[in-house]
Amino acid sequence: DQQVKQNSPSLSVQEGRISILNCDYTNSMFDYFLWYKKYPAEGPTFLISISSIKDKNEDGRFTVFLNKSAKHLSLHIVPSQPGDSAVYFCAASKDSGYALNFGKGTSLLVTP
Amino acid sequence: EAGVAQSPRYKIIEKRQSVAFWCNPISGHATLYWYQQILGQGPKLLIQFQNNGVVDDSQLPKDRFSAERLKGVDSTLKIQPAKLEDSAVYLCASSLDGAGNQPQHFGDGTRLSIL
Repeated sequence: DQQVKQNSPSLSVQEGRISILNCDYTNSMFDYFLWYKKYPAEGPTFLISISSIKDKNEDGRFTVFLNKSAKHLSLHIVPSQPGDSAVYFCAASKDSGYALNFGKGTSLLVTP
Repeated sequence: EAGVAQSPRYKIIEKRQSVAFWCNPISGHATLYWYQQILGQGPKLLIQFQNNGVVDDSQLPKDRFSAERLKGVDSTLKIQPAKLEDSAVYLCASSLDGAGNQPQHFGDGTRLSIL
């Protein structure tokens, strides 16, 4: 069963605007959440994470928001750049020492 | 620092043949993971090692897949015999020691095609 869901397979955004990628999860035991970025023919690259004790974490242009009651998290990229075009995977685990459960990914295209 | 190294990058074999993949984690990382990523899906864990001990292999098809991590550093994943549904990218990841909020770092994977 898919415990982490990314319901939008693709997203297109203009350069300079905000990109919002969404993720839902079903397992209430998850307390560590991450976003990975993946370019073709490369492995996933860690982008940003958040633990369940927080509701927001920022790193430069990237911010992750966590709504535990809704079992929902989102990744905001502001401003979006063409180099951000990639597949973004949401992942979750019970603890950072456990294996990650991944969503199916959202393909982001940032157009000039 | 050097990242997670995997080889080969690509492998094509016929069904019922055997194949092996190799992974060298980031230096000092105690925890090593093998994931399988089928086209259009997110990576799925096959096995997790802590040093040279297995932590989780509940999703490893043990009738055909095996993995080892001798001396707690490099790891190999083997498939014997391969089936058509094993066509996927096999990703290796490592993390420092599995404690605290530490992300997993991934290699570029081995793309396996079964004919």
